[in-house]
Amino acid sequence: DQQVKQNSPSLSVQEGRISILNCDYTNSMFDYFLWYKKYPAEGPTFLISISSIKDKNEDGRFTVFLNKSAKHLSLHIVPSQPGDSAVYFCAASANSGAQKLVFGQGTRLTINP
Amino acid sequence: DSGVTQTPKHLITATGQRVTLRCSPRSGDLSVYWYQQSLDQGLQFLIQYYNGEERAKGNILERFSAQQFPDLHSELNLSSLELGDSALYFCASSVGQGVRTGELFFGEGSRLTVL
Repeated sequence: DQQVKQNSPSLSVQEGRISILNCDYTNSMFDYFLWYKKYPAEGPTFLISISSIKDKNEDGRFTVFLNKSAKHLSLHIVPSQPGDSAVYFCAASANSGAQKLVFGQGTRLTINP
Repeated sequence: DSGVTQTPKHLITATGQRVTLRCSPRSGDLSVYWYQQSLDQGLQFLIQYYNGEERAKGNILERFSAQQFPDLHSELNLSSLELGDSALYFCASSVGQGVRTGELFFGEGSRLTVL
């Protein structure tokens, strides 16, 4: 049972444009969401997070939007840069299991010059 | 460099064998987490230790066990290996006990191949 789903295995965007990565979840107990970025041969690195009491969180070029009614979150990167090319994982946790992160399958983002 | 060190980086072994993966957390971090990433899958949570004690358990097989030592390094033991255990095993660390008290810092992973 995949509780966190990233339905797009890959995404290609032109440099300077906006990249939008999507994530859907099924468990209504999830109340904290994170995005991680992973380069080849490296471990995932934390990018940005959002609590369910908010619907938007912004950090520089990265913004995460949360739509609780739709159980959907998205990561916007603008403007996209070549260094943003990586695999992006969405993750979620429930307060009852705060130590446990449930990850999506990842989306490979390629930024074309 | 996240500060989390995992060894070995690559390991090839045969079915039925036993292996040990090692993780040294970032200096000052008390929590260690183990995750498994199989081909084209997301990271699956296995187990968490905090200051030497088991704190949370995911879908970890009975053939797998882990521990955290007094110096805070951790080992993940995988026994009676099967082909399906081939995966990338990540260790992560954090200062506190839960992901909300701080982000997780991941190591580069140990790639296990079972032939």
